[in-house]
Amino acid sequence: DVKVTQSSRYLVKRTGEKVFLECVQDMDHENMFWYRQDPGLGLRLIYFSYDVKMKEKGDIPEGYSVSREKKERFSLILESASTNQTSMYLCASSTGSQPQHFGDGTRLSIL
Amino acid sequence: DQQVKQNSPSLSVQEGRISILNCDYTNSMFDYFLWYKKYPAEGPTFLISISSIKDKNEDGRFTVFLNKSAKHLSLHIVPSQPGDSAVYFCAASRQTGANNLFFGTGTRLTVIP
Repeated sequence: DVKVTQSSRYLVKRTGEKVFLECVQDMDHENMFWYRQDPGLGLRLIYFSYDVKMKEKGDIPEGYSVSREKKERFSLILESASTNQTSMYLCASSTGSQPQHFGDGTRLSIL
Repeated sequence: DQQVKQNSPSLSVQEGRISILNCDYTNSMFDYFLWYKKYPAEGPTFLISISSIKDKNEDGRFTVFLNKSAKHLSLHIVPSQPGDSAVYFCAASRQTGANNLFFGTGTRLTVIP
């Protein structure tokens, strides 16, 4: 069974901090994704990666960057956290044409 | 601009009855559609999908119907069970397995015992 693990369930940070959200998958999937989920807006794609060191912007990449140095790990970076980045962040992975598998999410609060 | 819309934020159904969740989309280039279920404090889990070459796909109690001309799809759950209570997200992409999924805003289903 696919396991997508997000390093923190809850995180509280301050405005201006650099924030790292980590995601690891154990199924050798080539594709990995970062979404944020907000009430009334559903899930919105921030960035995705289809291979090591490759990345593509999603719908809302502003204020975020990503890193994929190893196939199993995909990091989301908030360069300078702001209060409008308070959200639930979801990581997912997939292979080929198979559906995406999601982690349990990180609820991030920026104070 | 929301390309995938779920206009009903919530739905309540009696146990044993049919649940029908609806989804509309605006982009005629979408040709692959998925439904995900999400319990509180968990990530979404894949439920069922349908390609635009079909108009129906069935998996046990779950059936998805696609009406391409109306740009509408629906998820039917029969019979509904209390364990089906969750938020259901509809998603669409421009090709099967494409990386960029567009999600709806979700419908919270409550199945009353």
